[in-house]
Amino acid sequence: DIQMTQSPSSLSASVGDRVTITCRASQRIDNYLAWFQQKPGKAPKSLIFAASSLHSGVPSNFSGSGYGTDFTLTINSLQPDDFATYYCQQSHSYPFSFGPGTKVDV
Amino acid sequence: EVQLVESGGALVQPGGSLRLSCAGSGFTFSSYAMSWVRQAPGKGLEWVSVISGGGYSPQYADSVKGRFTISRDNSKNTLYLQMNSLRAEDTAVYYCGRMHYMDVWGKGTTVTVSS
Repeated sequence: DIQMTQSPSSLSASVGDRVTITCRASQRIDNYLAWFQQKPGKAPKSLIFAASSLHSGVPSNFSGSGYGTDFTLTINSLQPDDFATYYCQQSHSYPFSFGPGTKVDV
Repeated sequence: EVQLVESGGALVQPGGSLRLSCAGSGFTFSSYAMSWVRQAPGKGLEWVSVISGGGYSPQYADSVKGRFTISRDNSKNTLYLQMNSLRAEDTAVYYCGRMHYMDVWGKGTTVTVSS
């Protein structure tokens, strides 16, 4: 099974900061990597699929990169609405798996 | 508007059964694979199961294999998750999502397994 790790597990940031979250797969997953944002008590929201493709309606200050085993979610100029927990997920091999999450707070 | 609405969550005793439903609208339901993901209280997301658009090739997490069954009725635009032999560790909010990479999520339905 493919294990997903994320770093850091949490970080403190301010509005306007540039934030980078890393996701690593235990095996190569090509670009079968998605990113999600979740706020407390709410369903997750899809941000990025295929490692770097933004879903429609996702603000352009979000971007994703990476291929193989190492991936990055970058939030340029953090906005008040961006404080949340972020998860990565691989859909390359069954069973699919999520990273443990990265909490971005003030 | 593309929408997914889960239902069927409840309080159930250990060893019991439950069937969750997920109704899709605003898209051609049969054209898309559909997934279930769960989140235990205070924990992260856990992938549970996926099924193809035609209802073939279901896949499961090891933690639910042999106890849960995913299915769909494309004539009703509805996805199901039959959960048997429920355990306390199955307590979670269950979300359905479109595609393998969950481009659309429902709001979730809560399953509590407790005596």
